[in-house]
Amino acid sequence: NAGVTQTPKFQVLKTGQSMTLQCAQDMNHEYMSWYRQDPGMGLRLIHYSVGAGITDQGEVPNGYNVSRSTTEDFPLRLLSAAPSQTSVYFCASSSLRSTDTQYFGPGTRLTVL
Amino acid sequence: DAKTTQPNSMESNEEEPVHLPCNHSTISGTDYIHWYRQLPSQGPEYVIHGLTSNVNNRMASLAIAEDRKSSTLILHRATLRDAAVYYCILMNGGSWGKLQFGAGTQVVVTP
Repeated sequence: NAGVTQTPKFQVLKTGQSMTLQCAQDMNHEYMSWYRQDPGMGLRLIHYSVGAGITDQGEVPNGYNVSRSTTEDFPLRLLSAAPSQTSVYFCASSSLRSTDTQYFGPGTRLTVL
Repeated sequence: DAKTTQPNSMESNEEEPVHLPCNHSTISGTDYIHWYRQLPSQGPEYVIHGLTSNVNNRMASLAIAEDRKSSTLILHRATLRDAAVYYCILMNGGSWGKLQFGAGTQVVVTP
């Protein structure tokens, strides 16, 4: 199993550009989520999904969109990037039967100029 | 949501035990105590979790106070690979897997 994979690893954007951060998992997990981590801080939840077609907002959803068309993929879209969105983004997944144990991807480091 | 308090950093010598404290005085009866760790430049990694009783697994032990207002993560023999930020997180059944990370404890292991 590859586990949770994220692409790209690094990305530099200009203010106002849009992009999609990709997240995929091969563990057939129903639950997937996106977090951001700013320097020296803990992770904050952006959006989460409990299954295909079902998404909901987390703590810091503004400026981000998500959709969940398949169990495996959970992309995160930045519609109009802002410098405040410079951060490291982590995707996570878990079984709904056991959300205690969540598996995180390696992260995408995003810089918005 | 109930919050946790952890020391900013702790140091340990290699092959010695490490005791990481966490205070959670406002914990509710349905809150589970979770520990995750984050190695440098990696995503967080699940370590252990418990409700009332002490728990052991291959990575660590979790000791929970009788009143559940504090807990301690125990790394029995620290290795250089255990150098990471350790997060103590409370989560109840209604959280739907939503983890609330604080700043955590930076563990430094010296050879």
